[in-house]
Amino acid sequence: DTEVTQTPKHLVMGMTNKKSLKCEQHMGHRAMYWYKQKAKKPPELMFVYSYEKLSINESVPSRFSPECPNSSLLNLHLHALQPEDSALYLCASSQETRVNTEAFFGQGTRLTVV
Amino acid sequence: AQSVTQLDSHVSVSEGTPVLLRCNYSSSYSPSLFWYVQHPNKGLQLLLKYTSAATLVKGINGFEAEFKKSETSFHLTKPSAHMSDAAEYFCVVTLSGGSYIPTFGRGTSLIVHP
Repeated sequence: DTEVTQTPKHLVMGMTNKKSLKCEQHMGHRAMYWYKQKAKKPPELMFVYSYEKLSINESVPSRFSPECPNSSLLNLHLHALQPEDSALYLCASSQETRVNTEAFFGQGTRLTVV
Repeated sequence: AQSVTQLDSHVSVSEGTPVLLRCNYSSSYSPSLFWYVQHPNKGLQLLLKYTSAATLVKGINGFEAEFKKSETSFHLTKPSAHMSDAAEYFCVVTLSGGSYIPTFGRGTSLIVHP
């Protein structure tokens, strides 16, 4: 199984809502990532978890809250988002955070904030 | 510091003709380099990677790339384009030493005409 599974595929939420994005992998990878991708742009790194500990936070606003309950699961909790947060949110995983290891990406969650 | 430059925002080819997508990198350390492909509204799929072994790297779907240290380049090629190759292509660099933060190029949109 070389898949990274993200749910839901699409999400529409109001600015006062609280929602969560979920990501799951069963490849035994110990590093997991959240990226944000706007249309016609490359993915922007948001968070990196290594061995279930947050190792990198790229100055992401606190309305985005990551959580790694175990080595297979990664969540992104969303609260009080703004319309400009609408984007494709991609989860990825890799064996570790070594520089020569490739990341496997999920299909993404298309988020629309209204 | 590291950076990656994809020289063309769009490349247009006819089906059956060669493909060349250009990528130049800047890194103070020995880089690891990757090419990913993204089809519309999908996640990213790894095409190939360079990690200081052979300089000519073969990937999936007939793609290959050559690492040229003297030119700081890692261009992606394919001898004969197929309609299904139409997608966005990202060149990514990570560097050895320091924090693991992959740096994405801006992306090149490959258009394939019948």
